[in-house]
Amino acid sequence: GAGVSQTPSNKVTEKGKYVELRCDPISGHTALYWYRQSLGQGPEFLIYFQGTGAADDSGLPNDRFFAVRPEGSVSTLKIQRTERGDSAVYLCASSLTGGRWFFGPGTRLTVL
Amino acid sequence: DAKTTQPPSMDCAEGRAANLPCNHSTISGNEYVYWYRQIHSQGPQYIIHGLKNNETNEMASLIITEDRKSSTLILPHATLRDTAVYYCIVITTRGGANSKLTFGKGITLSVRP
Repeated sequence: GAGVSQTPSNKVTEKGKYVELRCDPISGHTALYWYRQSLGQGPEFLIYFQGTGAADDSGLPNDRFFAVRPEGSVSTLKIQRTERGDSAVYLCASSLTGGRWFFGPGTRLTVL
Repeated sequence: DAKTTQPPSMDCAEGRAANLPCNHSTISGNEYVYWYRQIHSQGPQYIIHGLKNNETNEMASLIITEDRKSSTLILPHATLRDTAVYYCIVITTRGGANSKLTFGKGITLSVRP
């Protein structure tokens, strides 16, 4: 079956613009995670959904970052008023009640 | 979740075994040891996990010390495609807020021809 997919694979935007990053988890996986990875660092946790609700959003850096998962499957990470420091690879993972986490290939965001 | 300590890098020759160490001296009794790897420009990939017994699968073996304070990931016959960053993570796998993976910097394994 298909793994976790993320779109777009690359996104270039200008400082101050709004962006949306999409994650399609493995079908049936109830848990969905967003991570951010800067060059040379390990992935950094942003937010975790269990079903439709955000169970833990403690990793969101500020209120410019927001994520939704309205039907408990696809999730969108939204970044308002992008800054150059937001440039990173954004990773999505899904899991079936923990145990194993499956990661997507990531979206590389570049803010000019 | 308990923290882990890994050396920053190591290398090994192609075809030889790669032994990647990890220290997790504060691990709790209900925490598992997970290993993930990340090949350049890809998302992290699951390798193996264990609680206290040694584990083996088609990718690797995981050796956990009896006191569970450290473990070793063994790639029995390393290939050039095994060049990657390897992350050792300890975590409970209950649902809820404790079920997120927390990554450190990992260990960069370079397999040389």
